[in-house]
Amino acid sequence: GAGVSQSPSNKVTEKGKDVELRCDPISGHTALYWYRQSLGQGLEFLIYFQGNSAPDKSGLPSDRFSAERTGGSVSTLTIQRTQQEDSAVYLCASSFLLKGQGLYIQYFGAGTRLSVL
Amino acid sequence: DQQVKQNSPSLSVQEGRISILNCDYTNSMFDYFLWYKKYPAEGPTFLISISSIKDKNEDGRFTVFLNKSAKHLSLHIVPSQPGDSAVYFCAAIRLVRTSYDKVIFGPGTSLSVIP
Repeated sequence: GAGVSQSPSNKVTEKGKDVELRCDPISGHTALYWYRQSLGQGLEFLIYFQGNSAPDKSGLPSDRFSAERTGGSVSTLTIQRTQQEDSAVYLCASSFLLKGQGLYIQYFGAGTRLSVL
Repeated sequence: DQQVKQNSPSLSVQEGRISILNCDYTNSMFDYFLWYKKYPAEGPTFLISISSIKDKNEDGRFTVFLNKSAKHLSLHIVPSQPGDSAVYFCAAIRLVRTSYDKVIFGPGTSLSVIP
């Protein structure tokens, strides 16, 4: 597809269950980010994958959160033993560096709205 | 430690007038600053950017001004239109050798343009 695709668009789960959120970045983009946006809040950085480098996991709020990026493309964000405070919109973005311009732009998916009951 | 700040959570402007959205940052090492616009139920979309070596960049109705000494940038929208009503995020990034560090976003300002 032309843009960043996230699935599912909505997820309702029960407290204590595990969930997996998927992100298909734009083909050729070397970097992939996960953010979350809680109601009325800004974008909270979670994790960042850049090429073959070790991911920057500094934003993950707890060890219940993990993410992987297979083959440098698709990424999955996993939340184990979900809690009500995990309810948020989870956004994925991919990016590339425009050669010659040094300009960096992120392209975002529409997000996955997670509701933990 | 909030490196990128947007101190106004919301702003209301009359259609046709100028909208000015402000952003302050603390890290003088940032190389680029970007503005993103977000509509409800959609992901943010890139709007305009500015290099740290510039003080102004203009694209149609949108102009971004950078004051490095004050560590302040602003987005001007002239004239404002109802379709500009959205949340605007300021973001900053630092280049590291041939790559880049993670993007730092501000908390956002919700703009309402009143017809």
